[in-house]
Amino acid sequence: DADVTQTPRNRITKTGKRIMLECSQTKGHDRMYWYRQDPGLGLQLIYYSFDVKDINKGEISDGYSVSRQAQAKFSLSLESAIPNQTALYFCATSDRQGTTDTQYFGPGTRLTVL
Amino acid sequence: AQSVTQLGSHVSVSEGALVLLRCNYSSSVPPYLFWYVQYPNQGLQLLLKYTTGATLVKGINGFEAEFKKSETSFHLTKPSAHMSDAAEYFCAIVKGNRDDKIIFGKGTRLHILP
Repeated sequence: DADVTQTPRNRITKTGKRIMLECSQTKGHDRMYWYRQDPGLGLQLIYYSFDVKDINKGEISDGYSVSRQAQAKFSLSLESAIPNQTALYFCATSDRQGTTDTQYFGPGTRLTVL
Repeated sequence: AQSVTQLGSHVSVSEGALVLLRCNYSSSVPPYLFWYVQYPNQGLQLLLKYTTGATLVKGINGFEAEFKKSETSFHLTKPSAHMSDAAEYFCAIVKGNRDDKIIFGKGTRLHILP
């Protein structure tokens, strides 16, 4: 089974709808992240959480919110989706025990907002 | 603030030829540096990383990278390209600080010509 899972894998929605993307991990890591990937722009950090009680905004948090329900679960919400939020969304985890911060990525959610 | 710059959003090489993907970084403190690879329709996975010690780092699938402080570079190489190397490659940086987050470059898409 995959260590980092994302649901759904694909989602088509309409402008103005509220949607939630979910991420679960079995790696036991404290740190979780949500990224957005657009062609030519690389990965942009939306939100990150270093533990259940610690949530931080990333580079492009406007229009998004998150919830860290447990160490293993980190969900991303779009309160009112708009077309320019059409993108590929990745969840990732990391463990800063030791000296490195290797990130482990989920398979991604392809979101289309019509 | 630290940053990474990947030179060339697209690189094409012939099968069997040398692969060279360029990454330059900016950091006020000794950084940790990473290369991630993204195969089509997948999330990112770690290719290799440099933290401290030996400046030539070997990764999976025959790739290696050399940390050159004087040139602020961390270029990725592979002696002989294979068709399966076609993917997008991301250079990333994090300061040697437990509370700092990783920053990704914009990515380089590697095309392998038959």
